[in-house]
Amino acid sequence: DVVLTQTPVSLSVTLGDQASISCRSSQSLEYSDGYTYLEWYLQKPGQSPQLLIYGVSNRFSGVPDRFIGSGSGTDFTLKISRVEPEDLGVYYCFQATHDPLTFGSGTKLEIK
Amino acid sequence: EVQLQQSGPELRRPGSSVKLSCKASGYSITDYLMHWVKHRPEHGLEWIGWIDPEDGETKYAQKFQSKATLTADTSSNTAYMQLSSLTSEDTATYFCARGGARDYWGQGVMVTVSS
Repeated sequence: DVVLTQTPVSLSVTLGDQASISCRSSQSLEYSDGYTYLEWYLQKPGQSPQLLIYGVSNRFSGVPDRFIGSGSGTDFTLKISRVEPEDLGVYYCFQATHDPLTFGSGTKLEIK
Repeated sequence: EVQLQQSGPELRRPGSSVKLSCKASGYSITDYLMHWVKHRPEHGLEWIGWIDPEDGETKYAQKFQSKATLTADTSSNTAYMQLSSLTSEDTATYFCARGGARDYWGQGVMVTVSS
């Protein structure tokens, strides 16, 4: 199975600062069709996960442009510029390139 | 507006089974895969599997192969997941999520397994 290693495990950020989360895959996530099925989700406390980014860098409808996904192959990053209070929660990367689909272990974002 | 409405919380005895529902509105379930995901705070999110409601094809993560059974009823636009031989390890919140890119999620259903 593909293992997604997220770092850091937790992150404490001052409001208005930038946060960066890394997701490293045990295998390349580029599919044979050339697409990379790497997504980012945020699960706020007591809520369902919500899609932020799909296809490495495409923001889902309504997601602020403060959220920026990047990367290729096995190394991916989610950057959150100008962190706001509503950004707190657990961030997960997720791959749908290889069966079984797998989530990263999560990064908890706290506000200082 | 796309919505996924899941059934209410469940309390079950060890060894029993439970069937969870996920009713879609705002779109036809035959147009997208339906995924199911398990959440335990100390373990994060785990992908269970998906069903293609159009033809009933399913795909499971190996560890859920004999635990979960995914079905769908196109007449009611509803997806189901049955969990069998419940143990304390199955105590969790379960989500359904619309495929493609899992863009819409149900509110989750808490399953508690306790004697």
